[in-house]
Formats: sequence, C-alpha cells, structure tokens
Amino acid sequence: ELQLVESGGGLVQPGGSLRLSCTASGFTFSTYSMNWVRQAPRKGLEWVSYIGPSSGSIHYADSVKGRFTTSRDNAKNSLYLQMNSLRDEDTAVYYCATDLPNPMGFWGHGTLVTVSS
Amino acid sequence: DIQMTQSPSSLSASVGDGVTITCRASQGIGNYLAWYQQKPGKVPELLIYTTSTLQSGVPSRFSGSGSGTDFTLTISSLQPEDVATYYCLKYNSAPRTFGPGTKVDIK
Repeated sequence: ELQLVESGGGLVQPGGSLRLSCTASGFTFSTYSMNWVRQAPRKGLEWVSYIGPSSGSIHYADSVKGRFTTSRDNAKNSLYLQMNSLRDEDTAVYYCATDLPNPMGFWGHGTLVTVSS
Repeated sequence: DIQMTQSPSSLSASVGDGVTITCRASQGIGNYLAWYQQKPGKVPELLIYTTSTLQSGVPSRFSGSGSGTDFTLTISSLQPEDVATYYCLKYNSAPRTFGPGTKVDIK
C-alpha cells in the first residue's frame, strides 16, 4: 500500500528553524520526483518545492527560496525540508506529494507548522 | 513566472446540474495542466492530468479540456460527494503553480 508520512511539524518562533521529514513506503521511492506543498489555515494550496528522483533537479517557490532546502535520501526512502528563518506567513500544513506516476498523484496527510511567538 | 487564475471563485449548483470551472494561465503551458479536488478536511487528490486524462478511479462525470492558456474542468452531473474545492496546477516547468481554487457547493 502506498504511504507517505510527514513528521517534524510543531510550534516554532519567528526566525527559528524546523526540519520536516516524509517517509515513503509501498513504491520504489528512488524512481519518482517529490514535492512539498503547503496550505495556510483556510487558504489555498501553495507549491513549495520539487526534487527529482536523483536530486539532480531541485526547484523552489520564490516565497521560500534562500530559506528552505529540500533533500532526499533514497536509501532511507525519505524526503526532507529544512526550513530556516521562519516567518509568521510560513504557518501551514505541509504535505509531501509524489509524482507517482502523474504530477502529485499521491499525497501524505500533512504536518502542521505553526510559526508564532 | 506564469500566474494561474480560476473562475468562478465559488459556485452553488443543484444535484444533477452541469458545472464548469475555468483556469487560465498568463502564458502558454501546452497541455501540462492538472486538476485536484480537496474535500472539506481532507487531503487533495489528483483528478485529471495532461489537461484531459482522468486519474484512475475518478468518475467519468469529470472531464477536462483546453490547451495553451485556457482550460476547463467540467462535472457533467453534480453529485453531493463532489462538494469540494477544485484547484488547477500548471507543471510544464518550475515553478509549479496552483490556481487560487474554486469552491463548489450544493444549492
């Protein structure tokens, strides 16, 4: 059964850092590109980042560029999002989603990040 | 960067009605357009990719069309379980961009 499980969310102060993880199972993780997507409370979906199967291609939304870093460890079937210099507007549910086999064809259930003092 | 707009932002229709949602890109994106459905309190799900291809398991009352800059999602006969917010996504190149969403309710 396909599964994506996000973890690492929580409450952090503005300017702080947090590292999210997404653990995959039920498919050949190393074959597929991955995405992070976020959704602020009562708002729409915002694509955050993309990473290719072998990490050769990585892209970010302008809103997080220079502050967030996406990486993956195919040996551990895991995707990561290192978030630095966090701002109030980064408060959101963060989803990982795989391009399996179609764009963002499967999503995890998300992890909540709250940036507040 | 390419911007995505959707119209209407919300709509209310009766069970059995046909419903059409429009998505427009500020520049041409070929047919690299997908649609997602997010039911209240749930995770988004892929409905349609490459403009008109239904994801496996999606009911045939959903259809997509368009190319270039103008795209539509059509629900041929609205059902109670279709109450959701619908988002388009362009994925021809980075950055990927979602539309702002269209909320669909039952009248």
